[in-house]
Amino acid sequence: DADVTQTPRNRITKTGKRIMLECSQTKGHDRMYWYRQDPGLGLQLIYYSFDVKDINKGEISDGYSVSRQAQAKFSLSLESAIPNQTALYFCATSDGLVDEQFFGPGTRLTVL
Amino acid sequence: EDQVTQSPEALRLQEGESSSLNCSYTVSGLRGLFWYRQDPGKGPEFLFTLYSAGEEKEKERLKATLTKKESFLHITAPKPEDSATYLCAVTETSGSRLTFGEGTQLTVNP
Repeated sequence: DADVTQTPRNRITKTGKRIMLECSQTKGHDRMYWYRQDPGLGLQLIYYSFDVKDINKGEISDGYSVSRQAQAKFSLSLESAIPNQTALYFCATSDGLVDEQFFGPGTRLTVL
Repeated sequence: EDQVTQSPEALRLQEGESSSLNCSYTVSGLRGLFWYRQDPGKGPEFLFTLYSAGEEKEKERLKATLTKKESFLHITAPKPEDSATYLCAVTETSGSRLTFGEGTQLTVNP
């Protein structure tokens, strides 16, 4: 089984709908991250969490919210989806002792 | 503000034709520089971490080097399976957030 899993893997939705993307990890890491990837723009940090009680905004948090339900689970919500949120979304984890981040397989989100 | 610039944006090589990818960075204090490989439709896969100027790391046909302003990813005698997008990222001494470059898309033709 993969260490970092994301659900759903693909999602097509309409403008104004509420969407939740979920991330689970079995690596035992405390730190979790949500990134967005657009063609030609690289990876941009949306939110990150160093433990269950610690949530921080990243570079592009507007229009997004997160919930850290447990050490192993970190969810990203789009309260009212808009077309320019169409992108590839990645969850990542790290253990804090070293800096390498380990990424999930991604969720491809299309907002019509 | 941390900045990471990768060049070239895209690179086409023939199998066996060695080359290098560049990552230039600007940070207030470098904690670590990271190289990742990303295949289409998949999450980035960690390759290397470099911490100080002069450090080098190798893995199969890849070797990463670091200076005070840039890092190079050298690819020796590449094979078609090395085709991917290579991402560079940095983290500064005051935190553990990664700042990514836009990547170099490498294509190796047989």
